[in-house]
This record gives sequence, C-alpha cells and structure tokens, in this order.
Amino acid sequence: DAGVTQSPTHLIKTRGQQVTLRCSPISGHKSVSWYQQVLGQGPQFIFQYYEKEERGRGNFPDRFSARQFPNYSSELNVNALLLGDSALYLCASSFNSGNTIYFGEGSWLTVV
Amino acid sequence: DAKTTQPNSMESNEEEPVHLPCNHSTISGTDYIHWYRQLPSQGPEYVIHGLTSNVNNRMASLAIAEDRKSSTLILHRATLRDAAVYYCILKGGGSNYKLTFGKGTLLTVNP
Repeated sequence: DAGVTQSPTHLIKTRGQQVTLRCSPISGHKSVSWYQQVLGQGPQFIFQYYEKEERGRGNFPDRFSARQFPNYSSELNVNALLLGDSALYLCASSFNSGNTIYFGEGSWLTVV
Repeated sequence: DAKTTQPNSMESNEEEPVHLPCNHSTISGTDYIHWYRQLPSQGPEYVIHGLTSNVNNRMASLAIAEDRKSSTLILHRATLRDAAVYYCILKGGGSNYKLTFGKGTLLTVNP
C-alpha cells in the first residue's frame, strides 16, 4: 500500500510569492496534518484536518492556510513568502484524529 | 504540552544493543509514549508507542518505568541504517491530534 505522498518534492520560490503544497493520505485515513521543519529543528505542528474540518492549528501566521478535500487529500497554502519560510513541509495522516500518525517524505521549499 | 527530556546524542557500535532514554516526569494518565525516528532527508518514521506495559514490535522494544516517568527505546541490534534522530513524544489528552517534537537524540552507529 502506498504511504503518504506529497508533491512537489522540491521547489524554489521568490519572496512575496505564494505556494501550494499537496498531500495524499494513506488509503482509508481521514485525518491529515501539516508540519514545518526548519533545518536543525524538530517538526512544528501547523494544522490538522479531520473529515474536511480544521481540528487544530499551531502557532503560525494567517499567511498559512490549508484545506481538505472530499477524498481526504489536502493542500497547504502559504502566501507572501518570507525567507524564513524555507523549510521541509511534512504531511502526515492517521485513520482518525487520535490514532498513530504516519508521515510523508516532505516538500522542500526554498525561498530566495 | 507535557515535555520530554532526551540526551542530545548517543553513539553505538553496529550489531550491539542500543538503549535510548527519555524522561517525562510530568506525564499525565492519558498520555501515550510515542517514539519516532528521522533519517537524514526523510520524514519522521513511526517506531513504537505504549501506555503502561512494555511493548515489542519488529523495529524495537519500549520499556516503560512503573511510575511512567521515564521510558527506554531499545534497538536490539543496531545497524548503520538505524543512524537517525530519535524523538520521544507524549501524545494524548486534549492534544492527541498532534505531535510535539523536541530536539531528539542523534544516534550515531559505528561500523
């Protein structure tokens, strides 16, 4: 069975631009979460969606938004990119809100 | 969120057992102890989790102290592929939908 898949794997954006990252959860998983990992640190929680509703939000500015689609896939959008947004963005899925969480390989975002 | 304390780094030799400690003195009764590891340039990988009893799976064993204030992840025979950052995370209660990562333990495995 396929794990959590993310796209694109790598991308470079310019300051001020907008980016959309995509995630497909493990088949049968209804919960999707997003994490940001800056170089040298552990992942930081951004959002959790369950059954298309936002169930949790981390300490990130409103420039960060996400949504979950009827097929449980998800998109993370970041507007007005800053240099500090350069990071590995990880998507994770679980069967429901409290179950074990499984991560994808991530999308590497570089803002120049 | 309840916090965990782990050594910054540990070193082991290939094919020897490795015991990775974690202290979580403020753990609550509903917190599960989760372990993840992250290999270089990859996403975190689930290793094991437990509540009160010791747990075993194909990857590792988890030994939980009787008072639950500490736990130890045991890799029975370390391989070079086990070199990674290992995170001990408490998950449960009102925040059971997310993982709060600390800095973890960087495990180096020598050939």
